[in-house]
Amino acid sequence: EVQLVESGGGVVRPGGSLRLSCAASGFTFDDYGMSWVRQTPGKGLEWVSDIQWNGGITTYADSVKGRFTISRDNAKKSLYLQMDSLRAEDTALYHCARVDPYWYFDLWGRGTLVTVSS
Amino acid sequence: QSALTQPPSASGSPGQSVTISCTGTSSDVGGYNYVSWYQQHPGKAPKLIIYEVTKRPSGIPNRFSGSKSGNTASLTFSGLQAEDEADYYCSSYAGSNSFVFGGGTKLTVL
Repeated sequence: EVQLVESGGGVVRPGGSLRLSCAASGFTFDDYGMSWVRQTPGKGLEWVSDIQWNGGITTYADSVKGRFTISRDNAKKSLYLQMDSLRAEDTALYHCARVDPYWYFDLWGRGTLVTVSS
Repeated sequence: QSALTQPPSASGSPGQSVTISCTGTSSDVGGYNYVSWYQQHPGKAPKLIIYEVTKRPSGIPNRFSGSKSGNTASLTFSGLQAEDEADYYCSSYAGSNSFVFGGGTKLTVL
């Protein structure tokens, strides 16, 4: 089955760190770029970060630049998001998404919940 | 990286036509033909329904259509159905491997 499954969410204190993972199956993982997109009830969807198929190019939203690091392991068909210096406003459901070469998200995971609270 | 502007809500009766707008800038919506739309039912992951402004993925009914004029993209429902009640988000490529989303529109079928 073609799917993405996120894990690694949880409750963390402000200033803390968390590492999210996304396991891909059912397709050739290294044929695609991948992104993280987060979702909050008040702000809807927000693109967070993108990584090229070979990890050569990574990009970040201004809101997370310098604090989050995206990476991938094509041998393990996995995507990661290292989140440091977490803030309350980072609280969200984090989805991983497959990026088509024509710049749209054609496959989404159900998300993993990150709560930043003291 | 400002969010695209969508109306927070829209509504229509079954069988009616409804259009949701998505306004950006020349750096995103107006600069690329890479606008996409996503449908999200409660508790579910977003689902792609329109890509490259006007194209529908396999399995998406032709009552969904997309268009763009200048910095504004639109999603039109031709003949609303009860199952169309959901949240809808637009997204645009914004250059340099970055993206921007709209704030979302909650569609109610009356």
